[in-house]
Amino acid sequence: ETGVTQTPRHLVMGMTNKKSLKCEQHLGHNAMYWYKQSAKKPLELMFVYSLEERVENNSVPSRFSPECPNSSHLFLHLHTLQPEDSALYLCASSQGNSRQPYGYTFGSGTRLTVV
Amino acid sequence: GQQLNQSPQSMFIQEGEDVSMNCTSSSIFNTWLWYKQDPGEGPVLLIALYKAGELTSNGRLTAQFGITRKDSFLNISASIPSDVGIYFCAGQQLTGANSKLTFGKGITLSVRP
Repeated sequence: ETGVTQTPRHLVMGMTNKKSLKCEQHLGHNAMYWYKQSAKKPLELMFVYSLEERVENNSVPSRFSPECPNSSHLFLHLHTLQPEDSALYLCASSQGNSRQPYGYTFGSGTRLTVV
Repeated sequence: GQQLNQSPQSMFIQEGEDVSMNCTSSSIFNTWLWYKQDPGEGPVLLIALYKAGELTSNGRLTAQFGITRKDSFLNISASIPSDVGIYFCAGQQLTGANSKLTFGKGITLSVRP
C-alpha cells in the first residue's frame, strides 16, 4: 500500500459509455497527476493538479476530463473513448517545492480496456 | 522535448548475477530517481539522488548521479527472482512550486532461476 489508492483496478467499457476513474491519496501531498502507460511507450503525463488547480494539460483529447475537488482526490472522467485509449492509467501525488523536489508516489493503476 | 534514454529494452540474467542499468539524457536534471514496476502495479520509488556525484545504496541496489547531471546508473547485486520487473529512471527539474518528472521508457528485467 503506497498511500495512493486507485479504483477500479480494472475497467472494460464500450466506446459510447461514460465512466470515471478515482484516485485518493492519504499522504498530505499538494500535487496530483494522471499518467497514461501504454505498452512499449514511456509514461505519458496527462494532467497535473497543484493545490486543486489544474496547472498542466498535455494536449489530452477532450474525451478525458479531470476533476480535483480537493487536494486528496482526483478523478478522470471518460466518455466516447477509442480502442487506442486502452492502457494502464496511473495516478501519482507529490509534495514538491522549489528547494527540495521529491519523487512521485504512484497508485497501482486502473487497467482500462475500450471495446 | 526532454528525453531519457534507457537501453536495452529488455535484459535477461541468471539468478545471483549483478546487473547494471544506465540512463542518459541531453538535458541536465537536478534530481535522478529510479523506480521499479511489478506486473499489475504502479511504479515504486527505489532510490532518489539529489547531488551530482552522489552514490546511494538501498540494500542490494546502488545508484549514482552522474557528474555531468545528464546520466545515472542503477546496479543490482546478487539478483533474485523477485527483482523481475520494469525499471524506470526519471529526471526531475526544479520548475517553481512543482517539479515535473521525465521518465525513460524502462528496462524489463528477467531473472532466470
